Amino acid sequence: DQQVKQNSPSLSVQEGRISILNCDYTNSMFDYFLWYKKYPAEGPTFLISISSIKDKNEDGRFTVFLNKSAKHLSLHIVPSQPGDSAVYFCAAIISSNTGKLIFGQGTTLQVKP
Amino acid sequence: GAGVSQTPSNKVTEKGKYVELRCDPISGHTALYWYRQSLGQGPEFLIYFQGTGAADDSGLPNDRFFAVRPEGSVSTLKIQRTERGDSAVYLCASSVSSHGELFFGEGSRLTVL
Repeated sequence: DQQVKQNSPSLSVQEGRISILNCDYTNSMFDYFLWYKKYPAEGPTFLISISSIKDKNEDGRFTVFLNKSAKHLSLHIVPSQPGDSAVYFCAAIISSNTGKLIFGQGTTLQVKP
Repeated sequence: GAGVSQTPSNKVTEKGKYVELRCDPISGHTALYWYRQSLGQGPEFLIYFQGTGAADDSGLPNDRFFAVRPEGSVSTLKIQRTERGDSAVYLCASSVSSHGELFFGEGSRLTVL
């Protein structure tokens, strides 16, 4: 049972345009959500997070939106840069389950120059 | 080193053999996690240590898998009687506390022939 789903395996965007990566979840107990970025042969690195009590969190070019009623979150990257090309993982956690992140399958983003 | 270090980076073994994967966390990080990433999937939680003790081992798939952290620093993931389905990238992560940001290593790629 996949509790966190990223239904788009890949996304291609032109440099300078917006990238939108989507994530859906099923467990209403999740209270914290994170996005990780992964380059080949490297471990995932933390990008941005959002608490379930908020609906938006912004950090520079990266913004995460949370729609609790739809159990949906999205990551917006504006403007997209070629260096953003990587695999992006959505993850969710129940805060009392320390460190037990539940990851989606990942979306490979390609930003074309 | 400054980051989480995992060895070996690659391990090829035959079905039925015993394997050990090592993780050296960031100095001072009390929490340590093991995840497994199969091809085309996101990381999947295996086990979480707080100090020397396994606080949550609910993700270990069966009793062939075991992990230790005897001195609260380095951890070893042990897999007995390996099977082809064990082939994956095994990721280790550490954090300064049980609710801190997770820092991942580059992973150990295990291939069981």
